[in-house]
Amino acid sequence: AQTVTQSQPEMSVQEAETVTLSCTYDTSESDYYLFWYKQPPSRQMILVIRQEAYKQQNATENRFSVNFQKAAKSFSLKISDSQLGDAAMYFCAYRTSENAGNMLTFGGGTRLMVKP
Amino acid sequence: DAGVTQSPTHLIKTRGQQVTLRCSPISGHKSVSWYQQVLGQGPQFIFQYYEKEERGRGNFPDRFSARQFPNYSSELNVNALLLGDSALYLCASSRSGTGLYEQYFGPGTRLTVT
Repeated sequence: AQTVTQSQPEMSVQEAETVTLSCTYDTSESDYYLFWYKQPPSRQMILVIRQEAYKQQNATENRFSVNFQKAAKSFSLKISDSQLGDAAMYFCAYRTSENAGNMLTFGGGTRLMVKP
Repeated sequence: DAGVTQSPTHLIKTRGQQVTLRCSPISGHKSVSWYQQVLGQGPQFIFQYYEKEERGRGNFPDRFSARQFPNYSSELNVNALLLGDSALYLCASSRSGTGLYEQYFGPGTRLTVT
């Protein structure tokens, strides 16, 4: 079974600064997807960014980028120019290859606080 | 288009009772998945349904059951409620039953068991 670990229960960043959230995972599969989801205090989970394991290039979405290290099974999220609206719980998630259902395995989450 | 909707928003039940939670997927989405999120933890997969058939089941007891209707909406039922069932129950919908398409989450139903 796959496991996802987020070792930082809480992180804090100054507005406009950069912060990196860590995630490691364990799998024996070679084909899979990794995600970062954001869950603001209003609770609705929102997809931030996704990474296909077969792609060597790290995914980027505006101020959000990932550092995907497949051999190390590491998948960190970098948030640049942090904004107050970035404050939320962030969850790293794993999903097996596209033909095998869409079950997500989540990590325990990291609470990000943004200081003005 | 409206997003994923769930009802009710909040629910308080007593131990031993039964509860039914409802989810309406985004229009055009045929797959619905259910997750349980205990306070302070990440969501855990309970069920996936696609075209009214169960496509996946997480490590939950038989007290948990679900179904999907012809209009692709879904219900999650939990029998013989335990205190440990208190959690936020999330529903997510996607276009297909495979991982090809993204999942979109609803706001959740907060269940409190006393």
